[in-house]
Parts: sequence; C-alpha cells; structure tokens
Amino acid sequence: DAEITQSPRHKITETGRQVTLACHQTWNHNNMFWYRQDLGHGLRLIHYSYGVQDTNKGEVSDGYSVSRSNTEDLPLTLESAASSQTSVYFCASSPIRSPGHYGYTFGSGTRLTVV
Amino acid sequence: AQKITQTQPGMFVQEKEAVTLDCTYDTSDPSYGLFWYKQPSSGEMIFLIYQGSYDQQNATEGRYSLNFQKARKSANLVISASQLGDSAMYFCAMREASGSARQLTFGSGTQLTVLP
Repeated sequence: DAEITQSPRHKITETGRQVTLACHQTWNHNNMFWYRQDLGHGLRLIHYSYGVQDTNKGEVSDGYSVSRSNTEDLPLTLESAASSQTSVYFCASSPIRSPGHYGYTFGSGTRLTVV
Repeated sequence: AQKITQTQPGMFVQEKEAVTLDCTYDTSDPSYGLFWYKQPSSGEMIFLIYQGSYDQQNATEGRYSLNFQKARKSANLVISASQLGDSAMYFCAMREASGSARQLTFGSGTQLTVLP
C-alpha cells in the first residue's frame, strides 16, 4: 500500500546544530508540503514543492530549507536549530490537481525538541 | 487577516449530544475547498469532511455534517450523537483553487472534550 513516512518520530537536538527531517511518500504525488504545529497556531506552512527541482517558501520559512531531487522525498533541514523551532512537524502530499478532498495525505509527524 | 478562524479554543459536550465547532474563512477566490480534520491524542491527522465552494448541498459523512453558509463565509462542523472517541483536536482548513496554490491553510484548532 502507498504511504507517507516521516523519520525520525522524535528527536532532541542542541541549539546551533543542523537537523534534517525526512519525508518519503510512495503515492507518486507531485505536491509535497511541510507544516509545523504549535499550540494556538494550528498547522503553519513552512515550505512546499510542486515537483522535482521545485521548492517554494511558505508562511514560516525562516531558518528552514528543502530540496526536491526526486518525486518521493522532501527533506526539511534546519540550518542552525533554535529553541523557537521546537515543534511537531508534519509532512503532507497530494496529486497535481486534487479533485475535492482526495489526495491530501499526512505523515505521522516528527516531534523535535531543541535544547 | 486570518484566512481561517476558529474562535473556540476548547469545547465540552455531553456524550450522545450534538456539538457545533465554528469556522469562518476569508478568501476572494470564487473557487475553494473547505476541510475538517480530526487530530486525536496520538497525533495523526484524520480527514473528516470536505465542502467545495460550488457544492449546492451541505456535505455529510456519517455523524459529521458541514453547515456551509457561503454568504457568511462560515463552515461549521456539526457532530451528532457525540462519542467519547470524538475527544480530539479539530482543525478547519481551506484550499484556494484558483491559480497555482495547492496547499491547505489551517485554523488554530478547537479541542473537543466529550464528557461521559
């Protein structure tokens, strides 16, 4: 069965370190998204990609970067982790044109703690 | 301006009663979709219901219905006959369909607690 997986599920890192969160999907979806979830803010869009070699900044992109070298993967990198980046991170994917609600698939989330 | 507003940070409902979770949205796009997701304590995002801006009838999915009032820009979720398992965080989200935007914009969520 097709799926979207995030790794690791939990991570603790130190301030200033570079951290990469993985997202891998086997749906063959063109669109991939990274969100962060914080209490009182819901899910906010960090970066997104509409296809290979395409990346775009979202609402809260400062301090984060992504790259899309293939259809399946969109890793999220925190260049120099800060305590303000302690959060739960969700990856999602969808086909090019999602008819109605179909196609939005979320990963299980990565809980990142920056100490 | 917030695109999606959920004004109820927390709600309580008695088991077997109905509950309405509020959601208002802001868009100038004539074509858009509205979504509700459930997030239980385990953390996964579960799709509940969808309403397209051109849909003539309010969406329903089992015990979930969406009270769509286009002129008021509201898309409230109604859960009938609440169950203990409905206790969770609920998010309203929107996708604006015009142009190239394909991402979902989320509200801040409502934490629903069902009381026995």
